[in-house]
Amino acid sequence: KAGVTQTPRYLIKTRGQQVTLSCSPISGHRSVSWYQQTPGQGLQFLFEYFSETQRNKGNFPGRFSGRQFSNSRSEMNVSTLELGDSALYLCASSLEGLQGRNEQFFGPGTRLTVL
Amino acid sequence: GENVEQHPSTLSVQEGDSAVIKCTYSDSASNYFPWYKQELGKGPQLIIDIRSNVGEKKDQRIAVTLNKTAKHFSLHITETQPEDSAVYFCAASSEFTSYDKVIFGPGTSLSVIP
Repeated sequence: KAGVTQTPRYLIKTRGQQVTLSCSPISGHRSVSWYQQTPGQGLQFLFEYFSETQRNKGNFPGRFSGRQFSNSRSEMNVSTLELGDSALYLCASSLEGLQGRNEQFFGPGTRLTVL
Repeated sequence: GENVEQHPSTLSVQEGDSAVIKCTYSDSASNYFPWYKQELGKGPQLIIDIRSNVGEKKDQRIAVTLNKTAKHFSLHITETQPEDSAVYFCAASSEFTSYDKVIFGPGTSLSVIP
């Protein structure tokens, strides 16, 4: 079974631009979560989508948004990029989206650099 | 708010030695404690977890212990190998909770020297 895939793997943008990242979950998984990982803040939850609906949201500004398609693939968008948005963005999928009930599988991440 | 501390932040051991990483949590309602391994260029991978109804769990060379009274849990890796080199994260939450409520530790970078 193929793992979680994320595209692109690396991205360089300038301040003020916007960016869209893509995630394809493991086949059959309906929950897709997004995380931001930085050396200073660690792993921080952005949001979770389940059956095309945002089910949970972390404490990030409205510039961060996402969506999920009927095939469970998900995209996240960051508008008006800031230098502090430079990070590794991780996508994770699971069957139900509940910690401890189903394992969450992470993709390799997209490394975003904002200049 | 809820917090998970993790120590040490970096750890270097000789191949064959043991490595221990410790985490403490603040939310007494936490009852599920997973550990993740993140290798360079990859996402975190669940390697072992423990629930609050047990004090210790082993899986080959790795083990996790939990002290609910003291609110701390530890990861033990025995007979370390170079492929164990990675960043390890602990986490704490209630079991069957949504992922927005999971608190991750800051991570420990483990280097195993051949």
